[in-house]
Amino acid sequence: EAQVTQNPRYLITVTGKKLTVTCSQNMNHEYMSWYRQDPGLGLRQIYYSMNVEVTDKGDVPEGYKVSRKEKRNFPLILESPSPNQTSLYFCASSPLFLTSGKIDEQFFGPGTRLTVL
Amino acid sequence: GQQVMQIPQYQHVQEGEDFTTYCNSSTTLSNIQWYKQRPGGHPVFLIQLVKSGEVKKQKRLTFQFGEAKKNSSLHITATQTTDVGTYFCAGPRGDYGGATNKLIFGTGTLLAVQP
Repeated sequence: EAQVTQNPRYLITVTGKKLTVTCSQNMNHEYMSWYRQDPGLGLRQIYYSMNVEVTDKGDVPEGYKVSRKEKRNFPLILESPSPNQTSLYFCASSPLFLTSGKIDEQFFGPGTRLTVL
Repeated sequence: GQQVMQIPQYQHVQEGEDFTTYCNSSTTLSNIQWYKQRPGGHPVFLIQLVKSGEVKKQKRLTFQFGEAKKNSSLHITATQTTDVGTYFCAGPRGDYGGATNKLIFGTGTLLAVQP
């Protein structure tokens, strides 16, 4: 089954304790992205990746890191989490149009609800 | 900076009534996507519009892309309880006049349908 998986689904942690949220897709998509969703603010892009070893900042990258060592995986790293990073996080993947290089429909993972105390 | 606003933020309708949400960008979009997120769920892709003035239909859903490619709308005819959720539009951020692969989402419209 074609899907995007995220782990963990729920996480409660404390300020300053490094954590990683994993994201994996089995559709051979080039494009992968991380979003955070907060009430009243919609979905905001954190980082995205056009392909292996190619990553770029979205609108809210501060406090986050990503890596893309393999095509299927795109982990989100919080080196020193703070309470303002409490949010619902979504990973998404998308194929790219061959002609334009632009993204097609995005497939979202189930989400990770993170609470930082 | 570039903004994408959606109105209304919230709409409550009786089952069978029509519903429309509007998406307005401060800059021209090369394309626009629409997503639906059920309560407690994740966004699910509905459609992508690319051409100026484009209209696409999916059963009871009608999507339109404005002539100036700065606005879009989603219209649902005769809503059903299964239509409940938040509807988001999304488009590529512009950069120096061109579209990037950095995406900006609208603020979303939450639709409640009363049986």
